Amino acid sequence: DSGVTQTPKHLITATGQRVTLRCSPRSGDLSVYWYQQSLDQGLQFLIQYYNGEERAKGNILERFSAQQFPDLHSELNLSSLELGDSALYFCASSVGGGALNTGELFFGEGSRLTVL
Amino acid sequence: AQSVTQLGSHVSVSEGALVLLRCNYSSSVPPYLFWYVQYPNQGLQLLLKYTSAATLVKGINGFEAEFKKSETSFHLTKPSAHMSDAAEYFCAVSETGFQKLVFGTGTRLLVSP
Repeated sequence: DSGVTQTPKHLITATGQRVTLRCSPRSGDLSVYWYQQSLDQGLQFLIQYYNGEERAKGNILERFSAQQFPDLHSELNLSSLELGDSALYFCASSVGGGALNTGELFFGEGSRLTVL
Repeated sequence: AQSVTQLGSHVSVSEGALVLLRCNYSSSVPPYLFWYVQYPNQGLQLLLKYTSAATLVKGINGFEAEFKKSETSFHLTKPSAHMSDAAEYFCAVSETGFQKLVFGTGTRLLVSP
């Protein structure tokens, strides 16, 4: 158990809909990262938050957004869903987001999104 | 920008045989390098990391990796494979140790009895 909690574990929805994925980081971790894993794209970095602020941005679509709340949990919002958005979405956390970050990320078990 | 290339999407070994999973990196500055393992229906777990200290890095479950700057490689090895090693392995790089990791495409290790 990594200590990172993601909900829901599975989600099935229709094209055009909007979903929210939730992540609770390990106790004490200030950084949250979102990754998308699909068969054709592999593991793609989406976005990182550190202590409530956006720190780095990757290949995140404009239809997607994220935030980190004062209690450090994070949500990834996916809207106007398309078939190609079907993937496993991972949240990871780490102690720091800058100089203290040793690069070790602790991953949750993922949220599997299926868009029909 | 930094990147990693994992040679071989699938590697098959017999139980007890040597495991060798290849990773080459590209980075404009000294990199931080990592190997993560993903078991079925689970998240990724750190196996080992290189952060510019010793070039031979030992990780969990008997795995180790050697950083070779001249070859821009960070191959993962284990002397004797076990059935429980069957999983997907990802090499990753970070140029500063900060922020995001860039992952390779992964190598699925298959272990036969």
